[in-house]
Amino acid sequence: LAKITQPISMDSYEGQEVNITCSHNNIATNDYITWYQQFPSQGPRFIIQGYKTKVTNEVASLFIPADRKSSTLSLPRVSLSDTAVYYCLVGGERYNNNDMRFGAGTRLTVKP
Amino acid sequence: DTAVSQTPKYLVTQMGNDKSIKCEQNLGHDTMYWYKQDSKKFLKIMFSYNNKELIINETVPNRFSPKSPDKAHLNLHINSLELGDSAVYFCASSQGTSRVDEQYFGPGTRLTVT
Repeated sequence: LAKITQPISMDSYEGQEVNITCSHNNIATNDYITWYQQFPSQGPRFIIQGYKTKVTNEVASLFIPADRKSSTLSLPRVSLSDTAVYYCLVGGERYNNNDMRFGAGTRLTVKP
Repeated sequence: DTAVSQTPKYLVTQMGNDKSIKCEQNLGHDTMYWYKQDSKKFLKIMFSYNNKELIINETVPNRFSPKSPDKAHLNLHINSLELGDSAVYFCASSQGTSRVDEQYFGPGTRLTVT
């Protein structure tokens, strides 16, 4: 099973690009990497998902190297409203007990 | 319209009691989930369920049981509540039966066991 590690916290300033890296050394062949954002007192919200290389959508990019042992969520030009906890999720299409796991979350604080 | 809703939002109860948390999704999704988020913000899946398959996280005590009256609802029943059950419980849903599908989370139910 993939052990998921990500930084506990990060600080940034408005307008900067923020990169949050997730380590998943034991990722399985059929595992996908998904990132969620969570604001206080709310449920997590999907940001982006990928399997390999690079994925980009309107809010973020996800970089996955060839060995897939890590992934980096990139948030371009963050604003104060991006202050939240970001979770890395690694899991496969066929769910089986513990094979879908979240990292502990990275608390991002964006300062003015 | 709320996509995934949970009731109650807050639940305070005593040890040993039995309680239920309700979840409804109006997205027409096929799969629903229950998660537990502890005080350190760790998110852990408890169950995933569609009309064909219930998958249980083996670490979840059998005091916890999901019950689905129909595809739009997945309620969580907890028997003999313990102090360690205090947490925020999230319901979620996804469109298909593949768990890599984007999940939509409810607002959470904060359970406090005294």
